[in-house]
Amino acid sequence: EDQVTQSPEALRLQEGESSSLNCSYTVSGLRGLFWYRQDPGKGPEFLFTLYSAGEEKEKERLKATLTKKESFLHITAPKPEDSATYLCAVRGGDSNSGYALNFGKGTSLLVTP
Amino acid sequence: DVKVTQSSRYLVKRTGEKVFLECVQDMDHENMFWYRQDPGLGLRLIYFSYDVKMKEKGDIPEGYSVSREKKERFSLILESASTNQTSMYLCASSFGALEQYFGPGTRLTVT
Repeated sequence: EDQVTQSPEALRLQEGESSSLNCSYTVSGLRGLFWYRQDPGKGPEFLFTLYSAGEEKEKERLKATLTKKESFLHITAPKPEDSATYLCAVRGGDSNSGYALNFGKGTSLLVTP
Repeated sequence: DVKVTQSSRYLVKRTGEKVFLECVQDMDHENMFWYRQDPGLGLRLIYFSYDVKMKEKGDIPEGYSVSREKKERFSLILESASTNQTSMYLCASSFGALEQYFGPGTRLTVT
């Protein structure tokens, strides 16, 4: 069974203080690892898809990386508007749910001025 | 831009009522999904659909049913609402194995 564990559960940063969020996964035949951002009371917003170890994707202050066991979401010089919950999800090759995603519980990020 | 819309942002229903949650996407995606999101439990898959009139159970289908009569529309039905179905309901769609796009969510309260 696919498993996704995100850490830390919550993270508080000062504006400009760079850090990383972790997503550890166990999956049979990774078919994609997805990062989403979710603001309170809203639906998740797609950020990145990574498919193979060594792959990296960047968007503004965010950079996602992937190894065979985990993914990191690096946040460089964060701003208060980066405050949100960040969700990681995987799709495995043996999933009985077809194209459905298996989500972690998220990391709640708060960036203070 | 992909747009997924859900019929209500907030809904309050009484125990035993039949509840319909509707989702519409405008990108001609063949795949559509219903999740529920609860604090401490994350997103859990209820049902999904690969095509019109096709449906598959997800991880927690009990107490729910779905309908997909048109490609762009996927409905979630609570046959007899119960208090443990109070939750945030999220609809998503995707093209093939690509990323899923989510709607804004419906916060359902069953009293």
